Amino acid sequence: DIQMTQSPSSLSASVGDRVTITCRASQDIRDHLVWYQQKPGKAPKRLVYTASRLQSGVPSRFSGSGSGTEFTLTISGLQPEDFATYYCLQHNVFPWTFGQGTKVDIK
Amino acid sequence: QVQLQESGPRLVKSSETLSLTCTVSGGSIDTYYWTWIRQPPGKGLEWIGNVFYTGSTNYNPSLKSRVTISIATSKSQFSLKVTSVSAADTAMYYCARLLPSTMTTDYWGQGTLITVSS
Repeated sequence: DIQMTQSPSSLSASVGDRVTITCRASQDIRDHLVWYQQKPGKAPKRLVYTASRLQSGVPSRFSGSGSGTEFTLTISGLQPEDFATYYCLQHNVFPWTFGQGTKVDIK
Repeated sequence: QVQLQESGPRLVKSSETLSLTCTVSGGSIDTYYWTWIRQPPGKGLEWIGNVFYTGSTNYNPSLKSRVTISIATSKSQFSLKVTSVSAADTAMYYCARLLPSTMTTDYWGQGTLITVSS
């Protein structure tokens, strides 16, 4: 199975901060990576797909980059509604695997 | 607006079979892939498997041979069965639709918490 190592596991940040979350794949997954945002009690919401394509309706402060084995989700100017847990998912090879999640909370 | 709704018994006894159905409304079940994903309380997400509208499936080997996903296009439903459940199968179970062009999810069900009791 492909291991998705997500870092950090948690971070504290302030409104307006720039936040970067990283996912590393244990082997090349091309650009078959999705970033999700999950709030408590809710289903995950797709933010970015194909590593860097922003889902329609998602604010432009979110951006994704990377290919191969290293990927980044950046939030440029954190807003109160962005405090949540973020997951990456590789869908290049079965079984699809998620990163362990990054919880972003208020400093 | 496409909507997905999970249904099935919320409490399952250890060693028995978990059965869930996802009903799709507001759109066709045809031409899409459909998926099940679960999340144990306080933990991360785990992909269970996919089914295409033709009935073709892919499963997570971590669940070994305990999982079966099927589809009933005439009913706009797809289903999940997990046999020989244990406490480790206690989780929120989500169904979702996959776009064939990107093989990524767009619509999700709200999720249903399944508890395995001893």
